[in-house]
Amino acid sequence: DAGVIQSPRHEVTEMGQEVTLRCKPISGHNSLFWYRQTMMRGLELLIYFNNNVPIDDSGMPEDRFSAKMPNASFSTLKIQPSEPRDSAVYFCASSFEGGAYEQYFGPGTRLTVT
Amino acid sequence: AQSVAQPEDQVNVAEGNPLTVKCTYSVSGNPYLFWYVQYPNRGLQFLLKYITGDNLVKGSYGFEAEFNKSQTSFHLKKPSALVSDSALYFCAVRDMDTGRRALTFGSGTRLQVQP
Repeated sequence: DAGVIQSPRHEVTEMGQEVTLRCKPISGHNSLFWYRQTMMRGLELLIYFNNNVPIDDSGMPEDRFSAKMPNASFSTLKIQPSEPRDSAVYFCASSFEGGAYEQYFGPGTRLTVT
Repeated sequence: AQSVAQPEDQVNVAEGNPLTVKCTYSVSGNPYLFWYVQYPNRGLQFLLKYITGDNLVKGSYGFEAEFNKSQTSFHLKKPSALVSDSALYFCAVRDMDTGRRALTFGSGTRLQVQP
C-alpha cells in the first residue's frame, strides 16, 4: 500500500486566496483525520470523519475552514480566504476502526500564506 | 477531557546508552496509548501502542513502552540508543469509553543522541 497520500506537499499563497488540500487515505480504512501542526500550538485535531461522515469538527478554527469527504478514498480541506496565521503543516491521517486503531499519517502539506 | 503531558522538551543521551522519554496521561475511562516518531519534514510514524494485556509493549526499531496504570504513565524506552533515533517523539491517548476516535497528542519530546 502507498500509505496516506497528500497533495500538494508545499503551497505558497497570498492572503485572501483560496487553498485546497487533498488527502487519499489508506484503502480499507474507515476513519480520516485532519491535523494542523505549528511550533506554537503543536499538533491539533481539526476534524475527523467516520465512514465519510464528519463526526467532530470542534477543532476547525473558524468558518473559513471547511472539509469534505465525498467518498472513502478522498478528502479535502479548504481555507477561504486564507490568512498568514493559517501558515502551518497540515496532516491527514487514517485508521481502521474495529481493528488496530492506530492512525497512519501522510507526509503533510506545508502551507505558507504571505 | 483527555490530556497528555510530556514533561521534557528535549532528552539528550549518548549512543549506546539506554533512553527514556516520559509520558503521563489523563482520561476518564480506559486509555489506548500510542507513541509516534517524527523525522524532519516527515509525517508522524507509528511506533507502538498499548490496548490491553501485557503492560510492556514492544514496537518498531527496538523501542518498548511500559504502561503503568497507578502512575498514569506510558514511558518510551530503548536499551541502547542509536544516533539515527534522534527525532521528535509524540505520546498520544484515546479514551476508549467515550467513543471519540480522535487522539490527543502531547507536545512532543526532542531526542538527541550524541555519537
